[in-house]
Amino acid sequence: KQEVTQIPAALSVPEGENLVLNCSFTDSAIYNLQWFRQDPGKGLTSLLLIQSSQREQTSGRLNASLDKSSGRSTLYIAASQPGDSATYLCAGRRPGSDMRFGAGTRLTVKP
Amino acid sequence: EAQVTQNPRYLITVTGKKLTVTCSQNMNHEYMSWYRQDPGLGLRQIYYSMNVEVTDKGDVPEGYKVSRKEKRNFPLILESPSPNQTSLYFCASSFGAEGEQYFGPGTRLTVT
Repeated sequence: KQEVTQIPAALSVPEGENLVLNCSFTDSAIYNLQWFRQDPGKGLTSLLLIQSSQREQTSGRLNASLDKSSGRSTLYIAASQPGDSATYLCAGRRPGSDMRFGAGTRLTVKP
Repeated sequence: EAQVTQNPRYLITVTGKKLTVTCSQNMNHEYMSWYRQDPGLGLRQIYYSMNVEVTDKGDVPEGYKVSRKEKRNFPLILESPSPNQTSLYFCASSFGAEGEQYFGPGTRLTVT
């Protein structure tokens, strides 16, 4: 059974800092891993999707990596801004199976 | 605009009164799924569908039903809602199980 863990649960940083969010999963047969952003009371916005054959994906100031052998993924946010404040969720999926989410990291970027 | 839509967005109902939450996507996605999100428990998958007429249970299917008669629609049915089904519900879709998932805006359900 796939379990997904995110550390830290909450993070507060000053504007401009580079930061790393961590996601670990127990099943190395993961098919893909997706990072989402969720604002309070809102839906989920997809940030990056990494297929099992890939090692990383980049979009603007965001970079996500995937290491299946160690069961880890990281989301790197460069030059953080107050608008980055949100909860970040990672989710892993096995082929033809359900999708498991981590509990999320609540990020606050202070001006 | 490519999107996943859910209706209603907010619903307050009473125990035992059957309800349906609709979900529709306009991206021709094969894969659709339903999740619930609860404080302290995170997002949990209720049901998913690999294609029309193909559905399977997720993590927490008890008390829910789904049907997939058309590719674009995937309604969630609560035959006899109970207070423990009070939650925020999300529908999502993707091109196959390996594709990027797109989420609807959510339906906040309260069962009294």
